[in-house]
Amino acid sequence: AQSVTQLGSHVSVSEGALVLLRCNYSSSVPPYLFWYVQYPNQGLQLLLKYTSAATLVKGINGFEAEFKKSETSFHLTKPSAHMSDAAEYFCAVSANSGGYQKVTFGTGTKLQVIP
Amino acid sequence: KAGVTQTPRYLIKTRGQQVTLSCSPISGHRSVSWYQQTPGQGLQFLFEYFSETQRNKGNFPGRFSGRQFSNSRSEMNVSTLELGDSALYLCASSSVLAGSSYNEQFFGPGTRLTVL
Repeated sequence: AQSVTQLGSHVSVSEGALVLLRCNYSSSVPPYLFWYVQYPNQGLQLLLKYTSAATLVKGINGFEAEFKKSETSFHLTKPSAHMSDAAEYFCAVSANSGGYQKVTFGTGTKLQVIP
Repeated sequence: KAGVTQTPRYLIKTRGQQVTLSCSPISGHRSVSWYQQTPGQGLQFLFEYFSETQRNKGNFPGRFSGRQFSNSRSEMNVSTLELGDSALYLCASSSVLAGSSYNEQFFGPGTRLTVL
């Protein structure tokens, strides 16, 4: 069984401040991990993915995430928030379940950027 | 390559009616998943189809059903609509074949269903 927990359904940061969105996963097999972003009334767009190569993954729009196996975490960070970063962010895990890759999404974190 | 397309983009129905939503995956993708997204419940998994077979299902009542055609296009149907079915319905496709490859999902823009 696999699961994803995103701590904080809403996060507010000031423009220019550090963005930190938390994601912890549970998986009985080595997982692949993803962060997606969703802007209002749109579908989800891939930000970055961990596929067992480098543990520090860089994505689009200046975001990055670090896979920490010991902490079962895959937190998303950005050094300096921009107004355009206001959106909802979803963490997801993909792991082998019954012979195929099953994907499970977290409940999402809405990021508010305060000018 | 064209992305995932969903039709229609917006839909208004009344309680008791039924509705069919359509999803065309990225060319070559054989897996299609459906999600319901509401402000109260967030993103919830409905079901996944692979090569015309449903291989994973979420916790939704039988009023929600789906199917996949031989060209990988998928439809989902909701019968006897309720007010609570108002939501954004998202479709995602992926190309994963083997169990060891990661399953990256590509999302469509969604269909906004409003039930009056």
